[in-house]
Formats: sequence, structure tokens, C-alpha cells
Amino acid sequence: GENVEQHPSTLSVQEGDSAVIKCTYSDSASNYFPWYKQELGKGPQLIIDIRSNVGEKKDQRIAVTLNKTAKHFSLHITETQPEDSAVYFCAACSGGGADGLTFGKGTHLIIQP
Amino acid sequence: DTEVTQTPKHLVMGMTNKKSLKCEQHMGHRAMYWYKQKAKKPPELMFVYSYEKLSINESVPSRFSPECPNSSLLNLHLHALQPEDSALYLCASSHTGTGSYEQYFGPGTRLTVT
Repeated sequence: GENVEQHPSTLSVQEGDSAVIKCTYSDSASNYFPWYKQELGKGPQLIIDIRSNVGEKKDQRIAVTLNKTAKHFSLHITETQPEDSAVYFCAACSGGGADGLTFGKGTHLIIQP
Repeated sequence: DTEVTQTPKHLVMGMTNKKSLKCEQHMGHRAMYWYKQKAKKPPELMFVYSYEKLSINESVPSRFSPECPNSSLLNLHLHALQPEDSALYLCASSHTGTGSYEQYFGPGTRLTVT
């Protein structure tokens, strides 16, 4: 089955700086890679995703890059703000139709004021 | 609107109780999912329903019994649970078809088994 590794487990950055979280996956059949933000006491919120036929996707301060050859993908957050503090999960999915997500272990992002 | 609702928000049950968790979405999604999330861990897939039929069961113990009565509703029936089953239970939904689609999560039900 799929295995997703995520690093770092904790990331502390100064407000206004950039944050980068990296994930690798094992199953070359995986074709969909979402990122979720989870705040304390809430469910995961989809913030951005990328499909295997695309190398990069950007949405305002958030961007995701995918390297299919190396089987890794990364989340980039620029101009970080206090409200960006949360746990971020990467995930991978290999099925068409309805298939479950395999998540990385999560990164606790702390924005220092 | 990408809202998935779950009830109850919190549930405390004894090991001999029977209870049910409920999930609802009105986005026209035909795939619905149950995930289990322990503290400081990622969500883990339990079940997938596609067009109201169970399509994936990740070897979940029979004390968890899912049900999809229609395309908008998903239930998880609980019976004879163990304290280690205490966790946040998350429901999600998505479109289904020939590609992979965005999964939207509900807020979860925090379950405590005593």
C-alpha cells in the first residue's frame, strides 16, 4: 500500500517569513496530492491540491510543487501570518473514483509574532 | 458550499453501550468516508462508500458497523467498544468518477469509551 513521509514534524517561523513542508510517497500509481490544515478541535480543511499531470499550483500565499520522478511534493506558504499556525497534513491517493487518502504524520507549524 | 455535518460533537459511552454517529452532506457527492484520528496522529481510513455501497473496509473490527441509507447520509454504528477506540471520528465526502476528487471533512465526533 501507499506510504507517505512528511517532514519536519514541527516548524517554527517568524511572522512574515516563508514555511516549507515536504512529503514523499511510495506508490507510483498515486495521482492526487491534497494538503489539509487542521486547527485544534476541528476537522481537516482542504487548502490546496495537485494532480500528477501538473508540476506546480499556486493560490495566493500558498503553493504546492510536485516532482513525480522523485516522488515528492511540497507545500510553500509565503508571508506567514499568526492564523497560519496549525497542523498541516499532506496526503496521497492512487485510485480513480472513490478512494481513501493516505496521510503523512503531520507538521505542527508555529508562527512566532 | 462544502459543508459536511456530523452529530453528535462529543460522545461518551460505556463498553456495553450501543450508539451511532451520523454524517450528512448536501453537495451531491456520491462517495462518503469514515476516518479515525487518534490524538497527535493523522486520520486513518476506515470505510468508503461509493454510490451507497461499501467499497472499502480497511479491516475494521466488527464492533464498528457502517451504514449508508441514502446518498446524503452516512452512519457509524458502535457496539461493545474498547477504551482504545476513543478517538476523533471524521466523516468526509467527495465526487466519484474516473478521476480523484477533493475530499471535504466534517468537524468530527470526539468519542470517549469508558
